Amino acid sequence: QQQVKQSPQSLIVQKGGISIINCAYENTAFDYFPWYQQFPGKGPALLIAIRPDVSEKKEGRFTISFNKSAKQFSLHIMDSQPGDSATYFCAARTSYGNNRLAFGKGNQVVVIP
Amino acid sequence: NAGVTQTPKFQVLKTGQSMTLQCAQDMNHNSMYWYRQDPGMGLRLIYYSASEGTTDKGEVPNGYNVSRLNKREFSLRLESAAPSQTSVYFCASREYNSNQPQHFGDGTRLSIL
Repeated sequence: QQQVKQSPQSLIVQKGGISIINCAYENTAFDYFPWYQQFPGKGPALLIAIRPDVSEKKEGRFTISFNKSAKQFSLHIMDSQPGDSATYFCAARTSYGNNRLAFGKGNQVVVIP
Repeated sequence: NAGVTQTPKFQVLKTGQSMTLQCAQDMNHNSMYWYRQDPGMGLRLIYYSASEGTTDKGEVPNGYNVSRLNKREFSLRLESAAPSQTSVYFCASREYNSNQPQHFGDGTRLSIL
């Protein structure tokens, strides 16, 4: 059973546009929500993360919006650049125990010049 | 600082052959993980080791075994490879029970004919 559901599966965006990827979760015990970025031939790398005590976190052109009541969170890439073309994974975990991450299925973002 | 190193990077096996994928980290992390990545399936946890001396099954452990050789090294073994195990395998590590993210290696691309 997929604990974190991610949509859309792929996204094509014009350079300078906004890329938006959405994730939904069921487990209310999750309290840490990271986004990973993966380039071809490389492993995923942490991009940005949020905890449910805030509704938004921004780092440069990347913003996470978090809606605790709806159990949803999203990644916004502002002023998308060709170098942002990658696969993006949302994930979630609890802060106790072995901290296993539940990953979404990934979203391929292509930014065209 | 190498981070997480996986060997080999590529491998082709015949059905029924055995193989061990190696993973080493130099960040003094307690926890280590093995994932497989398949198109449209995201990252699925095979096995993990919360700390040296312990291993536990993840979502998809069938057909695999692991060994936590020491704090640095965590290997994944395919005893009798099957075509369904064709995948990209990622190793990751993190500090146990902390707010730090998982750090991934660059993967082993395994094809089983």
